[in-house]
Amino acid sequence: SQQGEEDPQALSIQEGENATMNCSYKTSINNLQWYRQNSGRGLVHLILIRSNEREKHSGRLRVTLDTSKKSSSLLITASRAADTASYFCAPRGAQKLVFGQGTRLTINP
Amino acid sequence: SAVISQKPSRDICQRGTSLTIQCQVDSQVTMMFWYRQQPGQSLTLIATANQGSEATYESGFVIDKFPISRPNLTFSTLTVSNMSPEDSSIYLCSVEGETDTQYFGPGTRLTVL
Repeated sequence: SQQGEEDPQALSIQEGENATMNCSYKTSINNLQWYRQNSGRGLVHLILIRSNEREKHSGRLRVTLDTSKKSSSLLITASRAADTASYFCAPRGAQKLVFGQGTRLTINP
Repeated sequence: SAVISQKPSRDICQRGTSLTIQCQVDSQVTMMFWYRQQPGQSLTLIATANQGSEATYESGFVIDKFPISRPNLTFSTLTVSNMSPEDSSIYLCSVEGETDTQYFGPGTRLTVL
């Protein structure tokens, strides 16, 4: 299916460390978007990477996309307590985004 | 980017009643989307709402339960009808911007007793 599947489901690291989350999907996509959600609130858009792009940066975020492997990764460098949240990848096919179950990231002080 | 507001932000309702959620966007958009997020779960697309046409519902969602209106290019409503405790969720609307980025509203947290 188009749905993204994140791995790991939960990740706990120390403040200052890097966090890597992975996403896999099964069908062709136009783009893939990453979102953050704090404690059941609205989703914050982090980054969009198009199917013809391999890597994209935004501040402390780095996203890669490998369409041959149908996978993407989100790297957060120098993590902060405020990065504690759930992170979702959402592959976009022809008409819609389909969300995976997300990765719950906890940053320990 | 698009700025999206939703009303109400939260509500507690009795079973058997209906609630209408409003979504307002600060710019004209073609497609608006309604999602549901059940407790501890991911987002599930309910329907896509285009202005001037009937909403397109995803598998498992029907118009009688979730009627949607889209009277213009900046506004939409989702009604949750004949509610049961299983409808307790966060309901989010979203729009797609010019750069294909999809933006989300702050959500409506619904609790059904």
